[in-house]
Amino acid sequence: RKEVEQDPGPFNVPEGATVAFNCTYSNSASQSFFWYRQDCRKEPKLLMSVYSSGNEDGRFTAQLNRASQYISLLIRDSKLSDSATYLCVVRYSGAGSYQLTFGKGTKLSVIP
Amino acid sequence: DGGITQSPKYLFRKEGQNVTLSCEQNLNHDAMYWYRQDPGQGLRLIYYSQIVNDFQKGDIAEGYSVSREKKESFPLTVTSAQKNPTAFYLCASSIGVRNLEAFFGQGTRLTVV
Repeated sequence: RKEVEQDPGPFNVPEGATVAFNCTYSNSASQSFFWYRQDCRKEPKLLMSVYSSGNEDGRFTAQLNRASQYISLLIRDSKLSDSATYLCVVRYSGAGSYQLTFGKGTKLSVIP
Repeated sequence: DGGITQSPKYLFRKEGQNVTLSCEQNLNHDAMYWYRQDPGQGLRLIYYSQIVNDFQKGDIAEGYSVSREKKESFPLTVTSAQKNPTAFYLCASSIGVRNLEAFFGQGTRLTVV
């Protein structure tokens, strides 16, 4: 079974804190990895893709470890506006299908 | 502006009725998807389509049907056979099905009354 597992959360952190989210995936035949952000009662929006070499976008850093089948997202200097649910997403390939599989998400609340 | 549009935003259905959710995109994307999200749950794939006139079942296709007669449109019908249809339905599209991220519409909240 193809599964994506995330820290259940919720994470309650003060402004300015650094917070890290972890994600593991079960199927090694996976091609692409993403972090999405979902605000309450809204659609998910792409936060960043995750590359094998790791990548950074401002305060956000994503890491991928294919050997351990592990993905992480680091948020530095947390802002109130970072409060949301963060979804780990993996695209699997096999038998002609390329499905996106979503984790259940980790809720982050940044507190003043 | 290019984007993906779902309508309506809120939908109420009586038990035993079929209802169709609209999804239109003007991004020229080949692939389109329908997901269902329940409270505290991740997104679950209902159906997806890689090209016009072709679609595949996802993990929870029972009680749902789709069509893909035009590249821009991928409507989802929730039939009376779906036992627990109350949920948040999200449509998405991507350029292709390989290695590329998906973009989502704003979703439709379906409630059975």
